Amino acid sequence: DAKTTQPPSMDCAEGRAANLPCNHSTISGNEYVYWYRQIHSQGPQYIIHGLKNNETNEMASLIITEDRKSSTLILPHATLRDTAVYYCIVRVRTGANNLFFGTGTRLTVIP
Amino acid sequence: DAGITQSPRHKVTETGTPVTLRCHQTENHRYMYWYRQDPGHGLRLIHYSYGVKDTDKGEVSDGYSVSRSKTEDFLLTLESATSSQTSVYFCAISPKGAAYEQYFGPGTRLTVT
Repeated sequence: DAKTTQPPSMDCAEGRAANLPCNHSTISGNEYVYWYRQIHSQGPQYIIHGLKNNETNEMASLIITEDRKSSTLILPHATLRDTAVYYCIVRVRTGANNLFFGTGTRLTVIP
Repeated sequence: DAGITQSPRHKVTETGTPVTLRCHQTENHRYMYWYRQDPGHGLRLIHYSYGVKDTDKGEVSDGYSVSRSKTEDFLLTLESATSSQTSVYFCAISPKGAAYEQYFGPGTRLTVT
């Protein structure tokens, strides 16, 4: 699975959009981009995933660049409950049976 | 809520004692996983299961065994607990299949003294 690079920490004002970047320059054509988050002391939570196209669900939007070498997770209106560590993971959809969590980005939403 | 419970949620045990952690799901999904999370290491896969009596090793399986005699329960056993197994243990399920998104339980914090 390709390696990802994320900033270690970010701050965001409450009510504003939080844009979390992820670099995955070695991604291959059959690898998906997944985002999870982990709120303190809880289990990781699946957020969203995508392959090529931008994706949106009730939690967030995922923007993937055309060359697929980077992506951005967008939380449109951050709340204090969105304070968490966010993990960007790249993996194939076949054969793999686990997730490789890196160090992620610690997002702090500020009142 | 993925319908996953873990028990116990907290446990303190002594070195050399056996310990069993339980993961229970209510949706009868086929794929279940055990991870441990330690500072500086992220989540690491211990064992996983792809059906009743079907299990396989993950990245850090030494010192751990698992059993799955029913679809809804996946048990993780530390045969003889060591201090290096002090960790937070998470169970996960994958409703769509092995390589799809996973949903995690609340975790068990285990301390081996």
